[in-house]
Amino acid sequence: RKEVEQDPGPFNVPEGATVAFNCTYSNSASQSFFWYRQDCRKEPKLLMSVYSSGNEDGRFTAQLNRASQYISLLIRDSKLSDSATYLCVVRSGANNLFFGTGTRLTVIP
Amino acid sequence: GAVVSQHPSWVICKSGTSVKIECRSLDFQATTMFWYRQFPKQSLMLMATSNEGSKATYEQGVEKDKFLINHASLTLSTLTVTSAHPEDSSFYICSALGGTSGRYNEQFFGPGTRLTVL
Repeated sequence: RKEVEQDPGPFNVPEGATVAFNCTYSNSASQSFFWYRQDCRKEPKLLMSVYSSGNEDGRFTAQLNRASQYISLLIRDSKLSDSATYLCVVRSGANNLFFGTGTRLTVIP
Repeated sequence: GAVVSQHPSWVICKSGTSVKIECRSLDFQATTMFWYRQFPKQSLMLMATSNEGSKATYEQGVEKDKFLINHASLTLSTLTVTSAHPEDSSFYICSALGGTSGRYNEQFFGPGTRLTVL
């Protein structure tokens, strides 16, 4: 079983739409959780960390459910510039990051 | 702050040659660096963890004699792909564990190196 599983998409949504991505992880002892954004042929960049209490950064809201080992990312009022691949990332053990395969989002004008 | 560079950004080589990729932390010291590989439409896969002054720790299935890692200083780690073959063609990304206050636990990624082996 993979450490991190994500729906690969693609998600094609119109500008202004709200879209949600989900992710599950297999190691219940995982310590930290993140959403990264990766543009085509570029390195991943940290979008936001995910906390048990849930956290929001502008149009982006991340939530963590440790009991279900489930992480989500909600994007409101989608912009064209949000088009990218969103990677669910889990840290387990000594600073090892495990990446999901990513969910591709395309925001359509 | 917390900038990581990689060189080269793109390399094409003939089968059988060796290719060296450099990863540098430009404005902080990184005792730990990581090397990842990403094939098209796939996730990043950790290849090895590189610690300054000691041998790298390789993930299962990664040949240490083929992918030589050297972390000789706190700002530089190198990955050498020896006797490269077409199946080694991939996007290689390094990351460095942040050393600055409050961000010591965050990984900062380099821009990646695209390797094409003919």
